[in-house]
Formats: sequence, C-alpha cells, structure tokens
Amino acid sequence: AQSVAQPEDQVNVAEGNPLTVKCTYSVSGNPYLFWYVQYPNRGLQFLLKYITGDNLVKGSYGFEAEFNKSQTSFHLKKPSALVSDSALYFCAVRVRDDKIIFGKGTRLHILP
Amino acid sequence: NAGVTQTPKFRILKIGQSMTLQCTQDMNHNYMYWYRQDPGMGLKLIYYSVGAGITDKGEVPNGYNVSRSTTEDFPLRLELAAPSQTSVYFCASRETGGGHNQPQHFGDGTRLSIL
Repeated sequence: AQSVAQPEDQVNVAEGNPLTVKCTYSVSGNPYLFWYVQYPNRGLQFLLKYITGDNLVKGSYGFEAEFNKSQTSFHLKKPSALVSDSALYFCAVRVRDDKIIFGKGTRLHILP
Repeated sequence: NAGVTQTPKFRILKIGQSMTLQCTQDMNHNYMYWYRQDPGMGLKLIYYSVGAGITDKGEVPNGYNVSRSTTEDFPLRLELAAPSQTSVYFCASRETGGGHNQPQHFGDGTRLSIL
C-alpha cells in the first residue's frame, strides 16, 4: 500500500540548534514528495518538493530536505532553528496523478 | 492575487441542519480538493475534482456532496449535519502544467462545529 509516515508527533529543539523532522514513504514508481507547514488558524503552506536526482532540496525559510532512496526517507532539516519555526509540519507524497496523501503531521517546538 | 478563498471561516450548526462550505480560486487551476483535518489525524481527502463537471470521491466522502460547475468554484455541501462532522475543512487547488509535482495551494479553512 502506498503511504507516508511521520514517526514523531512532536519534536522539541532549542533555538539555534539544527532540527530534523522525519518522513518515510512507500510508493510504487518514482516518488513525488512534498513538505508543508501549518501555522495556527491557517491553511498549509508549501515549503519544498523533491526533484528527481537532487538528494538535497532547498526550500522556503531556510529549510531543506534530504532524500534517501535506500531508506525511502525525505527528512526535513534546518541548520539553525528559530522560535518562529514552531508550527505543524506535514510530509506528503503523490500516489496518483490527481491524488496526494499526507502524513499525520509533526508539531515542532523551538525553545527559546 | 487572492489564491484560494474559503467562506465562512467559522460556523456552528445544529444536528440535522445543512450548509454549504464555499471555496473559490483565482489561479485557473484545474485540480481542486476538499480535506478535513482532525487533531492528530492529518488531512483526510473528502472529494476532489480534476476539472469543471468532474468530481470523484476521496477517503471519507460519506455525508458530503460536491459540485464543480466552473473552474473557479468547488463548494462542499453537508446535507444532514452530524457531530462526527465537527472538524476543520480545507480546500486546495493545484495546477497541472509542468508535470504532476506541482504543490497544492490551500485556503485558510472553515472551522465547523456540530452541536
């Protein structure tokens, strides 16, 4: 079955430290992967997407994601966390031309 | 450029009432989606549309209906509201040009409570 998983409900990181939010996937064929961020009382905002051939993808707000085909992972990273990065993060994968499925989300808390 | 606009932002309904959640986008996107978001459950797809006049069911369509008479609008209707439909509803759209790895654009949601 095609799926996407975010194994951590919550991640706590001190401000200034590097952060990682984990995502693993299971799809047939080439994966089309996305990261979105959701701030309180707002819709999801696109952060970045996997482009075939690029193992490190750069996105908005200083975020990047590392694609690992052998581990079927697409972890979101940032070298130095900001308090303003605190939000809910979703990983998503395209399973069909017209359909994308989302992980359950990971709440990121950046501690000042 | 307004993007995806949802109305209303908040609504309280009584059990058995009906209502329509409005969604409109000004980006000329063919694909549109309705999701519901429940705490700790991520987003569940209710219905989607690949173009005007074409709709299809997602994971959780029971209790909902949609129509797509124009490219811009994709309303979601609840016919007989039930407490299980208390949720936050998001509409999204996506362009199809440039391949199928285009991201979705989301509205800010409608927070619906059924009492």
